[in-house]
Amino acid sequence: DVKVTQSSRYLVKRTGEKVFLECVQDMDHENMFWYRQDPGLGLRLIYFSYDVKMKEKGDIPEGYSVSREKKERFSLILESASTNQTSMYLCASSLPQFQAFFGQGTRLTVV
Amino acid sequence: KNQVEQSPQSLIILEGKNCTLQCNYTVSPFSNLRWYKQDTGRGPVSLTIMTFSENTKSNGRYTATLDADTKQSSLHITASQLSDSASYICVVSANSGYALNFGKGTSLLVTP
Repeated sequence: DVKVTQSSRYLVKRTGEKVFLECVQDMDHENMFWYRQDPGLGLRLIYFSYDVKMKEKGDIPEGYSVSREKKERFSLILESASTNQTSMYLCASSLPQFQAFFGQGTRLTVV
Repeated sequence: KNQVEQSPQSLIILEGKNCTLQCNYTVSPFSNLRWYKQDTGRGPVSLTIMTFSENTKSNGRYTATLDADTKQSSLHITASQLSDSASYICVVSANSGYALNFGKGTSLLVTP
């Protein structure tokens, strides 16, 4: 079975903290994505990666960075967490032009 | 700009009834369209994927249609069940680029 695993289901962090969200896929997919999902706004792309060490900014990259040192792992980093980054974060992976498989999501609360 | 619009935004139906969700898109050049179901607090799960040449695709009680000429898709749910309560998201891919174009979803509530 296809699997995309996010390291945490729920996280609570303080303003200004550095936050790491980890995502691992076991399907040897080239593409990996990080989205955030907010009520009324749908899913918005933060960053995506189409190969190891390759990354592209999505629609809302400000305040975030990413790391892809290995094909199976794609990390999202909040350099200095702020309350407006409280959201549901979803990781996905896919082969090019094929359907994406999503992780279970991480609900991050920044207080 | 590539856009995906879904309607209605939310829908309440009685258990056992049918419903149809709509998705209009402007993504070009079109590659494929997918419908996902997202339960509350969970990641989206794929229901169907359709390419340019496909008009209809079924997955159990879910039937998706695609009209590539008018750039419209629908998801029809037959004999709804309480477990169908979820958000349904339409996602369209272009032939160029890597990113997926998401609709904002339709929130469906099936009541007893």
